Amino acid sequence: KAGVTQTPRYLIKTRGQQVTLSCSPISGHRSVSWYQQTPGQGLQFLFEYFSETQRNKGNFPGRFSGRQFSNSRSEMNVSTLELGDSALYLCASSLRGVTSGSTDTQYFGPGTRLTVL
Amino acid sequence: AQKVTQAQTEISVVEKEDVTLDCVYETRDTTYYLFWYKQPPSGELVFLIRRNSFDEQNEISGRYSWNFQKSTSSFNFTITASQVVDSAVYFCALNNFNKFYFGSGTKLNVKP
Repeated sequence: KAGVTQTPRYLIKTRGQQVTLSCSPISGHRSVSWYQQTPGQGLQFLFEYFSETQRNKGNFPGRFSGRQFSNSRSEMNVSTLELGDSALYLCASSLRGVTSGSTDTQYFGPGTRLTVL
Repeated sequence: AQKVTQAQTEISVVEKEDVTLDCVYETRDTTYYLFWYKQPPSGELVFLIRRNSFDEQNEISGRYSWNFQKSTSSFNFTITASQVVDSAVYFCALNNFNKFYFGSGTKLNVKP
């Protein structure tokens, strides 16, 4: 069974631009969650989607948004990029999600490394 | 306030030694979930375990074991007979349905 895929793997943008990252979950998984990892702030939860609905959101500004499609693929968008948005963005998929109280295992993708210049 | 503390920034051991990674959490909720993740040098996070607040049973999975103690708000992770492949950064995390908090991670170096 194919794992979680994230595209692109690397991205370079300049301040003020917008970026869209994509995550394709494992077949049959309906939940996708997104995380940001930076040297300064560490790992932070961005949001979780389940069946096209945002279930929970971390403490990030409105510039960070996401969506999930009917095939469970998810996109994350960051508008008006700032230097501090440079990070590794990880997505994970599971059957029902980790913020739901389920006992699912999460499977992570390889991440998208975003550099903002 | 809710947070997760991993006081050990970096640990180095020699192969075959046992090693315990500490995790202390703070929450006022009675229902919460604790996690451990592994991040090898490749960067991809690997989910290791999820434990809910009502289940204080210790868990063993091969060389890995977890000790959950609500009385001390700790969820420690022990690797028995460590191997070089265990070298990674390990993160502890807390979830209470609405929020998700990660510790700062413990880098484990296992030397041959």
